[in-house]
Amino acid sequence: GAVVSQHPSWVICKSGTSVKIECRSLDFQATTMFWYRQFPKKSLMLMATSNEGSKATYEQGVEKDKFLINHASLTLSTLTVTSAHPEDSSFYICSARDWGEQFFGPGTRLTVL
Amino acid sequence: QKEVEQNSGPLSVPEGAIASLNCTYSDRGSQSFFWYRQYSGKSPELIMFIYSNGDKEDGRFTAQLNKASQYVSLLIRDSQPSDSATYLCAVKDGNTGKLIFGQGTTLQVKP
Repeated sequence: GAVVSQHPSWVICKSGTSVKIECRSLDFQATTMFWYRQFPKKSLMLMATSNEGSKATYEQGVEKDKFLINHASLTLSTLTVTSAHPEDSSFYICSARDWGEQFFGPGTRLTVL
Repeated sequence: QKEVEQNSGPLSVPEGAIASLNCTYSDRGSQSFFWYRQYSGKSPELIMFIYSNGDKEDGRFTAQLNKASQYVSLLIRDSQPSDSATYLCAVKDGNTGKLIFGQGTTLQVKP
């Protein structure tokens, strides 16, 4: 299957700082990428859909000013968690669509102290 | 609201047995169905997709789809302890193209 990478795989930061997470499709071009968040023992929650060259579409209840998404190229989307707080600590996973199937990156574990 | 339902389990089977994982969905317009495997602390991995009614086999995995009953299942033959994971059923929303995930079924394969 297609390969999606994420960086960093884990990050620990202080409350109030901003954290950027990168998502790359390595062997295909992805016009659409997705950002999910997952809390322990819970299912995936879609945060936003990222389209190359246009603004991201956020799911209801997700603050677009807090979770900034940029999809500048067909192989790269970034999620920036601004002014992070402990409640933002979670497992963030990106996903990219290759034809009909959707493939996930390895995820980024964010811990905000 | 479009929903995907799975029994959270855990489903426990002995090594070598057949594990049967089930999923129902509410949107009759859905055409694409996916099974992901997620190990603890890791991201989901696509293991099967199915678009047509009937069975689709890939190695030890068989996906079964019945659109009339709005039911999709995953069979794992000759289950191995390494199959122990959470299995997520996902249905593509016919209107938005987004994946709608079930809560996942935890499978435990005991040696």
